Formats: sequence, C-alpha cells, structure tokens
Amino acid sequence: GAVVSQHPSRVICKSGTSVKIECRSLDFQATTMFWYRQFPKQSLMLMATSNEGSKATYEQGVEKDKFLINHASLTLSTLTVTSAHPEDSSFYICSARTARYGYTFGSGTRLTVV
Amino acid sequence: DQQVKQNSPSLSVQEGRISILNCDYTNSMFDYFLWYKKYPAEGPTFLISISSIKDKNEDGRFTVFLNKSAKHLSLHIVPSQPGDSAVYFCAASVTNEKLTFGTGTRLTIIP
Repeated sequence: GAVVSQHPSRVICKSGTSVKIECRSLDFQATTMFWYRQFPKQSLMLMATSNEGSKATYEQGVEKDKFLINHASLTLSTLTVTSAHPEDSSFYICSARTARYGYTFGSGTRLTVV
Repeated sequence: DQQVKQNSPSLSVQEGRISILNCDYTNSMFDYFLWYKKYPAEGPTFLISISSIKDKNEDGRFTVFLNKSAKHLSLHIVPSQPGDSAVYFCAASVTNEKLTFGTGTRLTIIP
C-alpha cells in the first residue's frame, strides 16, 4: 500500500526558532499533500493543502507566513513552523491522497516549543 | 463551525459485545465518509469508508451505516476486542477533496 514517511516524530525547540517537518511518499507520487494539526483531545484540523509545483492553499485562520509549506517534488512536502511560540506546540500530521489507496497519513510530529 | 461532530467523547464496551460509535454532520454536500482509528502520537489508520450512494458498508468486524436524511453515520464493531481500544475519528469530504474530521471518540474495550 501507499506509505507516507514523516520526520521528525518528535521535536523540541526554543521559542523564536524555526522547525521543519518533512513528509515523503515512499512508493507513490503525491501531487497533493494535506497538513493537519491536532491539539490535545481535539480533532485534526486541516491547515493547508499543498500541490506539487504551486503555492499551498491555506485554511481560514492559518498564517501562511508562519507555516511555510513547500511541495517541490512529487515525493516530498515540507512544513516549516517559523518563529515558533509555545502556542504552536501541537501534533502535526501530513496526508497524501491516491486514487488507488485513498488517504494515507504520516505518523505525525509532536512539536514542543519551550 | 464544527461540520462533523462526534457527541460522545468516550465509550466503554465489554469485550465481545458490540461497539457503536456515532457521528453527525451538517454539510449536505459531503458525499464520502470515512472512519479512522488513532493511537496517541501516531497518524490515523484507515478503517472503512462509505459513499453517499450507499447506506451500509461492511468489512469484517466493521460496518458503517449512513443515514443521509438524518445526516448521521455510525460505526459498528462486533465483536469488540481489546486491541480495538483507541480514539476513533469519523471524517467527511466533498467529491474526494479535503477531509473534515470529527472530534473523536475514545473507545475502551473492557476485558
């Protein structure tokens, strides 16, 4: 089946620094990647949709200058949290969709900003 | 605006019995519905889905029922097993586009 590899699984960073999260599609080409955020005991909230070779589409209320998304190739999408603050601490998950396997999720990244 | 809701944050069921998880939605444009299982600090794992042209889909111990007039779907797990203990999310989409997730139900199977 389709596998999405997400790294790192866990990261702790200092307030004001930037963190990059990578998602790679291992055995398929992902033209579209979705980025979600989940706060404790809450739902997965879609942050943005990235399309290979074009600008990401951000959901209402998500700061595009703070959450930089790059989808430069068909197998790699990255989310960079810039100037991170403690309120950005969350669980970030990527997802790709294929016609054959439907939606496949990465294993998630636990970001803690101290 | 929570378009997909799971009103029960938690559910406990005896092993071997049936687990019924419920989900309600408000957007009548949703035409594809999915259920996911999630463990802490992991990504969701797909369980079962249903298209709006159907009212039931079955896969092994899992059955999803869709009532479009009531904008309600449910996931039945029978028989329930200890390994089923997890958080379950329902999700919906319009024409296979982005998913909107419910708030989740924590299912605990009691041995």
